[in-house]
This record gives sequence, C-alpha cells and structure tokens, in this order.
Amino acid sequence: EVQLVQSGAEVKKPGESLKISCKGSGYSFTSYWIGWVRQMPGKGLEWMGIIYPGDSDTRYSPSFQGQVTISADKSISTAYLQWSSLKASDTAMYYCARPPDSGYYPVYWGQGTLVTVSS
Amino acid sequence: QSVLTQPPSASGTPGQRVTISCSGSSSNIGSNYVYWYQQLPGTAPKLLIYRNNQRPSGVPDRFSGSKSGTSASLAISGLRSEDEADYYCAAWDDSLSDLYVFGTGTKVTVL
Repeated sequence: EVQLVQSGAEVKKPGESLKISCKGSGYSFTSYWIGWVRQMPGKGLEWMGIIYPGDSDTRYSPSFQGQVTISADKSISTAYLQWSSLKASDTAMYYCARPPDSGYYPVYWGQGTLVTVSS
Repeated sequence: QSVLTQPPSASGTPGQRVTISCSGSSSNIGSNYVYWYQQLPGTAPKLLIYRNNQRPSGVPDRFSGSKSGTSASLAISGLRSEDEADYYCAAWDDSLSDLYVFGTGTKVTVL
C-alpha cells in the first residue's frame, strides 16, 4: 500500500528555521516525484514545487522560489521542505503528494503537517 | 497565486444537480488535462476526476467532469449531505516546467 507519512505539527517563532518531512513507503521512492502543497488557514491549495528523488532534480513555483528548499534523501525514502527563516505568513498546512503508477498528477497525499509561526 | 478561477460557493438541496465551473487559459486548461479534488474539512484533498472526465475507482458516478477550450466543469448529480466540501480544479501549466496550478476553490453546501 502506498503511504506518505508526514512529520508532526510544529510551533515556531519568526526567524527560526524548520525542516518538515514526508516519508514514502509501499513503493519505489525514486520512481515517482513528490510535490509539496501549501494551504493557508481558510484558504485554497497552492503548488509549491516538485522533486524527483532519483536525481534530486527540483522545480519551484515562482511564488515559492527562494522562500523554501525542497530536498530528498532516497536512502530513507524521505522528502523534505525547509525554511531558513520563518515568517508569520508561513503559518499553514503543508501536504506532500505523489502521482499514480500511470499518470502525472497528484493522487496520493500525506496527512499534512501544520506549521504555526507565532511570537 | 491561483490561475484557475472558480465560483467561491455553490449550493443545492439533496438530490439536486450542482455544477462548478473552472476557468483557465491556453497554457493550462487549454492545453492540458483537468483534475478535480474534493477536500472534506480537516482532511487532505482526494482526487475525484482525472484526465478531464475519468473517475478513479471508488468515486461515485454522481461525479462527472467535462472540458471545453479553456474551461472545465464538475457536476454533482443526486447531491448528498456527504458531498458538502471544498472542490478544487487543477491542471499543469506550460508556462513553467512542472508547474501545477489549482483553482480558487468552491465550497459546496447542501441545504
């Protein structure tokens, strides 16, 4: 069974750094991209970027370029989303997702990681 | 950031048919497949429709999708109370490599 399990909720202060994770299981981690999606409180879904774990090729949505870093460690089947200096506006739910076996669209989703940034 | 436009809300009584529109451009809907997701409160999005009008196994045939030009629509027939949720359209956008764009979202209320 394909599963994406994300790390737990985080509460941070502005200016702090953070790295959240998304662990894939039940499939070959390097064979499918992982995408990250942001959902701010009460708002819609926003595509942040994508990583191909096989070679760590990464693409960012223009809105998130330079704001976050997406990475992966294929040895432990885990993708990451990280911030070097959090802002209050980073408060949101973050989801990871991957495509189906034959397709190129998000179908499997993690349960989400809630990040709260507050002084 | 949303480049696909949806109405903010839609509603209907049980058994009615509700339609949600999704308007894009030539770089996304006009040249790529459209996908629809359902998001129940407090949960991750769930794929409802892929490749414009295909339903994943387990999705009731009450849900149907269509596309014409740079617009798409999702129809829910025989509306049920459990259909009350947020719905998002999505598509790949050719303006940038691997850019997936979501619609603004539509809250469906069952009256």
